[in-house]
Amino acid sequence: ERVLTQSPDTLSVSPGERATLSCRASQSVGSNLAWYQQRRGQAPRLLIYDTSTRATGVPVRFSASGSETEFTLTISSLQSEDFAVYYCQQHNHWPWTFGQGTKVEIK
Amino acid sequence: QVQLVESGGGLVKPGGSLRLSCEASGFSFSDSYMSWIRQAPGRRLEWISYTNKNGDSTGYGDFVKGRFTVSRDNAKNSLYLQMNSLTAEDTAVYYCAKEDWGRASHWGQGALVTVSS
Repeated sequence: ERVLTQSPDTLSVSPGERATLSCRASQSVGSNLAWYQQRRGQAPRLLIYDTSTRATGVPVRFSASGSETEFTLTISSLQSEDFAVYYCQQHNHWPWTFGQGTKVEIK
Repeated sequence: QVQLVESGGGLVKPGGSLRLSCEASGFSFSDSYMSWIRQAPGRRLEWISYTNKNGDSTGYGDFVKGRFTVSRDNAKNSLYLQMNSLTAEDTAVYYCAKEDWGRASHWGQGALVTVSS
């Protein structure tokens, strides 16, 4: 099983600032890495797939990169609605697995 | 638009069984892979299972250990998860999801399953 480890666990950021989240895989997952956003009380929402492709309707302030075992999600200028928990997920090797999540909170 | 509505959650005793349902609309259900994903308190999201378009190919997470069975009825646009031999560790919110190439592109609102005596 591919284990995904996200860092940091919590990120404190002021509105308008940039946030950078990391996801590391225990073995290569190629480019088969997705990112999700989960706001409080809601289901997760797909943000990014195939490492860097934004899902439909996702604002351009969300960008992502990486390959193999190291991946990054960047939010260029945090808006109030971006304070949430973010999960990475690999779909390179079954079973698909998630990271433990990074909580982005208001500083 | 895509809508996924889970039902069948609730309180069940350890060792008991429960069947979750997911009714889909707004897309071609019979042309879509579907999955179940769960989120337990304090634990990371876990991908429980997937089923292919006609239900003849399925996959399960290692933790299922033969206790859960995923199925679908394309005539009813519905996905199911039969869960047996439930333990407290199965307490979680269970999500139905439309799966596109291994990613969950759309999620339901979730169904809470509580396993407790």
